[in-house]
Amino acid sequence: DIQMTQSPASLSASLGETVTIECRASEDIYNGLAWYQQKPGKSPQLLIYNANSLHTGVPSRFSGSGSGTQYSLKINSLQSEDVASYFCQQYYDYPDTFGAGTKLELK
Amino acid sequence: QVTLKESGPGMLQPSKTLSLTCSFSGFSLSTSGMVVSWIRQPSGKSLEWLAAIDWDGDKYYNPSLKSRLTVSKDTSNTQVFLKITSVDTADTATYYCARRRVGITPFDYWGQGVMVTVSS
Repeated sequence: DIQMTQSPASLSASLGETVTIECRASEDIYNGLAWYQQKPGKSPQLLIYNANSLHTGVPSRFSGSGSGTQYSLKINSLQSEDVASYFCQQYYDYPDTFGAGTKLELK
Repeated sequence: QVTLKESGPGMLQPSKTLSLTCSFSGFSLSTSGMVVSWIRQPSGKSLEWLAAIDWDGDKYYNPSLKSRLTVSKDTSNTQVFLKITSVDTADTATYYCARRRVGITPFDYWGQGVMVTVSS
């Protein structure tokens, strides 16, 4: 299985700040990567797919980048509603695998 | 509008068989290219993909759990089922079903999840 190493495990940031979350795959996943946001008690919601494509209805302050084995999610101008956990997922190879998650809190 | 909703027993004893149902609307599993997957998440932990079934009835399992999993769908193509045999406390988790399109694609719609506790 492809291992997804996500960092940091937790992150504290101020409103309006820019935050970046990283994910490293154990082998090339050819941009087969998604980012999900999960709020407490809720199911994950798709934010970014194919490494850098914004899912329908997702605010433009979210963006994804990367290639090969290294990917990142950036949130510009952090809003209070962005407090959540974020997970990366590789879907290039079977079986799908997820990162361990990043818990984002307000400072 | 695509919606999915999971249902299950809530709690069951070790060694029993867990049966879960995913009921969905807004799409049909008879439509070419549609896939419904099961994913689980222990409390406070990450996500684990378990199994999937596609519009053609082809089934896919996580190799680490394959011997214990059975995925199926109903003839109306609006429900998908998952059975996990010989459960133990490590199977305690929230179980989600999610939709994707065939190919190298993400999960675009998720159910709300159903919490399952395995305890004696």
